Amino acid sequence: GQNIDQPTEMTATEGAIVQINCTYQTSGFNGLFWYQQHAGEAPTFLSYNVLDGLEEKGRFSSFLSRSKGYSYLLLKELQMKDSASYLCAVRDSNYQLIWGAGTKLIIKP
Amino acid sequence: DAMVIQNPRYQVTQFGKPVTLSCSQTLNHNVMYWYQQKSSQAPKLLFHYYDKDFNNEADTPDNFQSRRPNTSFCFLDIRSPGLGDAAMYLCATSTSGGATDTQYFGPGTRLTVL
Repeated sequence: GQNIDQPTEMTATEGAIVQINCTYQTSGFNGLFWYQQHAGEAPTFLSYNVLDGLEEKGRFSSFLSRSKGYSYLLLKELQMKDSASYLCAVRDSNYQLIWGAGTKLIIKP
Repeated sequence: DAMVIQNPRYQVTQFGKPVTLSCSQTLNHNVMYWYQQKSSQAPKLLFHYYDKDFNNEADTPDNFQSRRPNTSFCFLDIRSPGLGDAAMYLCATSTSGGATDTQYFGPGTRLTVL
């Protein structure tokens, strides 16, 4: 079967750095997405990785290792507004998006 | 601004009473998706349209139907809602459904079944 694993919940301090991990086992691979979802709202697109390495976009960076079936989302200079769930999703060989259940990130002052 | 719009944002219905959720987009995207998301769970794809080509997920119950009368609009019909159908329903769009395609979501409709 296809599977995306992420931690259920993480806590971090305002101004700090946090890394949210995602491991996947899918039928083929055509890219990995990270989405942010605030409580009661729709997911919003953060990043896309298809090649190994680090993609940086402002305070957020996303890393991919295809050989390890692993990605992480790195959030720097955490702000209270970063409190949200972060969903990892992988596009498989049939171009279907396989979603993780998300990691709820709690930011404390 | 180009966007994905869902109406209503909150919908309350009674057990067994049909309900229709609507989605519209100004992005002129070819693909439209309907997802069901329950609390702290991954979004679950119900079906999607590539233009007018309808694609139903194998495990989507028959109770759920969809219509796409034109490029801009897509509807989700729940024929006889059960208590287990209470969830957030998310509409998303994308240009082509290809490998690098990004899905853009509407704000969602939260359905309550009494």
